[in-house]
Amino acid sequence: GNSVTQMEGPVTLSEEAFLTINCTYTATGYPSLFWYVQYPGEGLQLLLKATKADDKGSNKGFEATYRKETTSFHLEKGSVQVSDSAVYFCALRDNYGQNFVFGPGTRLSVLP
Amino acid sequence: DAGVIQSPRHEVTEMGQEVTLRCKPISGHNSLFWYRQTMMRGLELLIYFNNNVPIDDSGMPEDRFSAKMPNASFSTLKIQPSEPRDSAVYFCASRIPNQPQHFGDGTRLSIL
Repeated sequence: GNSVTQMEGPVTLSEEAFLTINCTYTATGYPSLFWYVQYPGEGLQLLLKATKADDKGSNKGFEATYRKETTSFHLEKGSVQVSDSAVYFCALRDNYGQNFVFGPGTRLSVLP
Repeated sequence: DAGVIQSPRHEVTEMGQEVTLRCKPISGHNSLFWYRQTMMRGLELLIYFNNNVPIDDSGMPEDRFSAKMPNASFSTLKIQPSEPRDSAVYFCASRIPNQPQHFGDGTRLSIL
């Protein structure tokens, strides 16, 4: 079945550091890929998405590129801020469009 | 625009009691999802509906859990009887076909 694997957290960085959160997936066909962010006490919010190979999703300084050859969708940001502290979930939606599969989440803490 | 609305935000009750969680999806969204989030298991899909019809309830942990969607604007997740291991944050999400899910802020449930 479909699955999503993320790097284990927590990840602790200093402000303005470079961020990478790895995400790899297993799926049949051509899934769409997503990153969701969950701030403390809130629900998940869509951060960015990519629907086909080589697409790059970007939002709020975050980027992720859909790499079919490596089945990856790593999240990057060049300079993190304290306000980026949250839990980040990688997810896929199968090509039937019916269901999402979420990774376990990676907690990011950014220190001033 | 109003997002997905869940109630209550917090619920504390004694084991054995019936618990009812409520969700109002975004107007026009025809798919609704219930998730449970715990530290140990991460985000788990419990059940989802398309056009008010339950499509996949394989994630419902046991018969104590039930979900209904009597109309397009309302869904409930009921636990009867509740147990301490049911303590978690329960999220509702909705979407239109082939679009990302939008999440509510969740209900934090504590069973004593």
